[in-house]
Amino acid sequence: DTGVSQDPRHKITKRGQNVTFRCDPISEHNRLYWYRQTLGQGPEFLTYFQNEAQLEKSRLLSDRFSAERPKGSFSTLEIQRTEQGDSAMYLCASSPPRQAYGYTFGSGTRLTVV
Amino acid sequence: GQNIDQPTEMTATEGAIVQINCTYQTSGFNGLFWYQQHAGEAPTFLSYNVLDGLEEKGRFSSFLSRSKGYSYLLLKELQMKDSASYLCAVRDKNTNAGKSTFGDGTTLTVKP
Repeated sequence: DTGVSQDPRHKITKRGQNVTFRCDPISEHNRLYWYRQTLGQGPEFLTYFQNEAQLEKSRLLSDRFSAERPKGSFSTLEIQRTEQGDSAMYLCASSPPRQAYGYTFGSGTRLTVV
Repeated sequence: GQNIDQPTEMTATEGAIVQINCTYQTSGFNGLFWYQQHAGEAPTFLSYNVLDGLEEKGRFSSFLSRSKGYSYLLLKELQMKDSASYLCAVRDKNTNAGKSTFGDGTTLTVKP
């Protein structure tokens, strides 16, 4: 297993378009998280999956954002009708049930909305 | 909710020791993490504290005082490659998610 993979690494889109990002976690990790990070800020929590169940979603997340994790494996994050304020690095992380191990992050998807 | 404070920037000299502080307020504490993030890269896990005291891991150590809502990350024998942002993150007990809330990070610059 080579760690957490995210695709694409970079995405430039026009305002109003829909985008979808993919995350492949470490196979033994049942927990998967999506975070968003802008320059000079720490990662901001978006949503969390335990296996295939989405157990928590940030109230800061508008209904334009949706995430899935079918079969408890890879996950997708979709943003509909993108806005310039959505420009950020979108980070996926996974972790095993034992919390002492912390998160393993993917390299992220950098989204630029023009 | 949670509130996490760290200094924005710090500068230190190669070979020296630096201490990066983190204070937090949380309604339910369930562990504190430190991550390192180099510019343009994803964060990588450094340390975890859930009980009071010092955890040592090579050149890096992390300390926790739950009663004071305080932690620090200690970096010894600084190397140029230690120049990075250091993120303090707190896990909330009052959630099923095991999610962590991150501070905005401390940018450490190591100079020759």
